[in-house]
Amino acid sequence: ETGVTQTPRHLVMGMTNKKSLKCEQHLGHNAMYWYKQSAKKPLELMFVYNFKEQTENNSVPSRFSPECPNSSHLFLHLHTLQPEDSALYLCASSQGSAGDTQYFGPGTRLTVL
Amino acid sequence: ILNVEQSPQSLHVQEGDSTNFTCSFPSSNFYALHWYRWETAKSPEALFVMTLNGDEKKKGRISATLNTKEGYSYLYIKGSQPEDSATYLCALNSGYALNFGKGTSLLVTP
Repeated sequence: ETGVTQTPRHLVMGMTNKKSLKCEQHLGHNAMYWYKQSAKKPLELMFVYNFKEQTENNSVPSRFSPECPNSSHLFLHLHTLQPEDSALYLCASSQGSAGDTQYFGPGTRLTVL
Repeated sequence: ILNVEQSPQSLHVQEGDSTNFTCSFPSSNFYALHWYRWETAKSPEALFVMTLNGDEKKKGRISATLNTKEGYSYLYIKGSQPEDSATYLCALNSGYALNFGKGTSLLVTP
């Protein structure tokens, strides 16, 4: 166990649905991240939050909307997704956001029909 | 986005074999290099963080070296065991972001 949990582990949704992914870290870290992994591609950084403030938005479409209400929780709100958004979505946290080891959750496997 | 290359893409060895794989990265703007181990259906697990040229780190049978001047890192596994089967990721940190390679998928058969 890395101290980072994600729910749900699997999600199937239609293109018109609205759903949310949840991440919680129990490590007392200050930075949290969302990554996307598509088949045969490297992990791609989507968003970075440092002390609840978004510090990085890696050109992610607006149909993905992150929310960080406190340093322990991170959400990814999904709406009007496309089938090509089907991927594994990983959350991570680190003590600081520059150079520190990141601790990952197990991911949410998302399928968009 | 920085280009991080890992080779080989996949590797199949017999139990007891020693093996190694490579991570290549741009040598400019280097901050740190991370190695992760990722077993199927589990979370990626941090193995090493390496920052200094010539760094050598070891964890049990796994070790890693770093050459920041030429832009590469090697990961070595001595006496591979079936439980070493996983994808090994390297990631270059040059600021806020970790830039990941595609990983090397290792399968160790008894």
